[in-house]
Amino acid sequence: DGGITQSPKYLFRKEGQNVTLSCEQNLNHDAMYWYRQDPGQGLRLIYYSQIVNDFQKGDIAEGYSVSREKKESFPLTVTSAQKNPTAFYLCASQGLAGVNEQFFGPGTRLTVL
Amino acid sequence: DQQVKQNSPSLSVQEGRISILNCDYTNSMFDYFLWYKKYPAEGPTFLISISSIKDKNEDGRFTVFLNKSAKHLSLHIVPSQPGDSAVYFCAASARVRGSNYKLTFGKGTLLTVNP
Repeated sequence: DGGITQSPKYLFRKEGQNVTLSCEQNLNHDAMYWYRQDPGQGLRLIYYSQIVNDFQKGDIAEGYSVSREKKESFPLTVTSAQKNPTAFYLCASQGLAGVNEQFFGPGTRLTVL
Repeated sequence: DQQVKQNSPSLSVQEGRISILNCDYTNSMFDYFLWYKKYPAEGPTFLISISSIKDKNEDGRFTVFLNKSAKHLSLHIVPSQPGDSAVYFCAASARVRGSNYKLTFGKGTLLTVNP
């Protein structure tokens, strides 16, 4: 089955620790995205990548880092510099150039204690 | 500054009736609009979209209308079913580097369809 996987579904970390969220897709999509959702808020773009070894900051990149070493994978690291890391994180991918639909993974709920 | 606004946080509708979800935008560079449906603790699923060169797109029970001069779009669901109960996000697309696009999302509207 083609799709986007995010693991784990729930993640707990202590304050001050860095944590990396996984996102893998087997859709052969070039572009991948990370969003954050907070209660009562829409989805806010953290980082995006259009091709391997290239990525761009989104609207709320501070305190986050990413890498794109493989087409299939786009991990997100939430660093200790992120002031409010507890949130629901969503990864998405987009296929053909000019096709606007993004397809989302199931999300990871990160709770920082 | 919110570029995509969904001014109704919630909407309650009776089963079988029409649900109308509204969305306004401010950026005239947006050229494609999408609606996503989201259940709690899950990723959004794509529902329907419309290009800025059209004013209507229909897919089964779902129709999206675009009024470009008013910078307004709406999603109509007819007839509404209890399974439609979810949060609906409006999103607008603008070109970024190269041939890819960036989506800007509204805050969502929680639709509740009562049996």
